[in-house]
Amino acid sequence: GAVVSQHPSWVICKSGTSVKIECRSLDFQATTMFWYRQFPKQSLMLMATSNEGSKATYEQGVEKDKFLINHASLTLSTLTVTSAHPEDSSFYICSADGPSGVSYEQYFGPGTRLTVT
Amino acid sequence: QKEVEQDPGPLSVPEGAIVSLNCTYSNSAFQYFMWYRQYSRKGPELLMYTYSSGNKEDGRFTAQVDKSSKYISLFIRDSQPSDSATYLCAMSSNNAGNMLTFGGGTRLMVKP
Repeated sequence: GAVVSQHPSWVICKSGTSVKIECRSLDFQATTMFWYRQFPKQSLMLMATSNEGSKATYEQGVEKDKFLINHASLTLSTLTVTSAHPEDSSFYICSADGPSGVSYEQYFGPGTRLTVT
Repeated sequence: QKEVEQDPGPLSVPEGAIVSLNCTYSNSAFQYFMWYRQYSRKGPELLMYTYSSGNKEDGRFTAQVDKSSKYISLFIRDSQPSDSATYLCAMSSNNAGNMLTFGGGTRLMVKP
């Protein structure tokens, strides 16, 4: 149980276009989902915390108008990278809180590799 | 200085070796300590978690926390080629998921 999926797993887009990444909890309901960004050989950096039915909370330095997050239901959160540029190329990973909501019970998706040309 | 420091490696060991992975941290408020394993192009998966100081064992894995030294370790016994991955430590000062702070990860290669 506790599987998180992401779609797509890999996407290439042209500079200036927008890309939507979906994060789904497949067999449990996730009140809170998290979006991370990971550059090659670097750690995960939290971008934002997404709560179902409310606005996402963004970490300092993350442009909320560029990285649009919508947590439409208890099983789906989406991240839209608007007007993407090559510097947005990265590995984007979502995670979801398990039913208990404790910090160690976060289930991670497989990640989405975004390449902006 | 980063809040959590982790040697990036790569750490290369022969199959069957005992592996020691470590993280140091500066925030004395951290109380929850996690180890994640991340295979290439995959999301992290939780291996172990510990609360406060002490040891915790799960099969071939042992997690150790020394809060006085602000130092945590993950030991892997009888390492296998399938253990080859990047290992991330993560810490939290409370139970809120958005307070996780990750180390940079150590890349481990176990050679057959």
